[in-house]
Amino acid sequence: GNSVTQMEGPVTLSEEAFLTINCTYTATGYPSLFWYVQYPGEGLQLLLKATKADDKGSNKGFEATYRKETTSFHLEKGSVQVSDSAVYFCALRGNTGGFKTIFGAGTRLFVKA
Amino acid sequence: EAQVTQNPRYLITVTGKKLTVTCSQNMNHEYMSWYRQDPGLGLRQIYYSMNVEVTDKGDVPEGYKVSRKEKRNFPLILESPSPNQTSLYFCASSLSGGVNTGELFFGEGSRLTVL
Repeated sequence: GNSVTQMEGPVTLSEEAFLTINCTYTATGYPSLFWYVQYPGEGLQLLLKATKADDKGSNKGFEATYRKETTSFHLEKGSVQVSDSAVYFCALRGNTGGFKTIFGAGTRLFVKA
Repeated sequence: EAQVTQNPRYLITVTGKKLTVTCSQNMNHEYMSWYRQDPGLGLRQIYYSMNVEVTDKGDVPEGYKVSRKEKRNFPLILESPSPNQTSLYFCASSLSGGVNTGELFFGEGSRLTVL
């Protein structure tokens, strides 16, 4: 079945550092890929998405590229801010099995001033 | 404002006492789903609904029931709660079940404790 694996956290960075959170997936067919962010005490919200191979999703300085050859969708940001502290979830939505969205375990990011 | 609303946000109950967590969305979405979030496990799907009167099991449906009598509402029912159902629950919706319209909109979560 489909699955998502993302790097364990927590990740602690200083402000203005470069961020990478790794995400790899296993899926049949051509899933859509997503990054969701969860700020403390809130529900998840979409950060960015990509619906086909080689697409790049971007939002708020974050980027991720859909790499079918390596089955990856790594999240990057060139310069993190304290306000980026949150939990980040990689997810895929397949085209089988009721179009279920499957989430990784989440990676907690702490950014220090 | 487009939103998914869950109630209650916080609940402490005792084993065996039936409870319902309500979920309502105002975006005319066809697809709705319930997830539970547990430390180290991410989000796991409990049930989902592709449209009115169409529901199906997710990965962890045991101990839960749902219904979808109206498009906007998708309540989660725990007939006889047990301590292993202590968790943070999220309701989510999307425009349809199609893979390319798949971004989910989440409620703020309902933290349930079963003693």
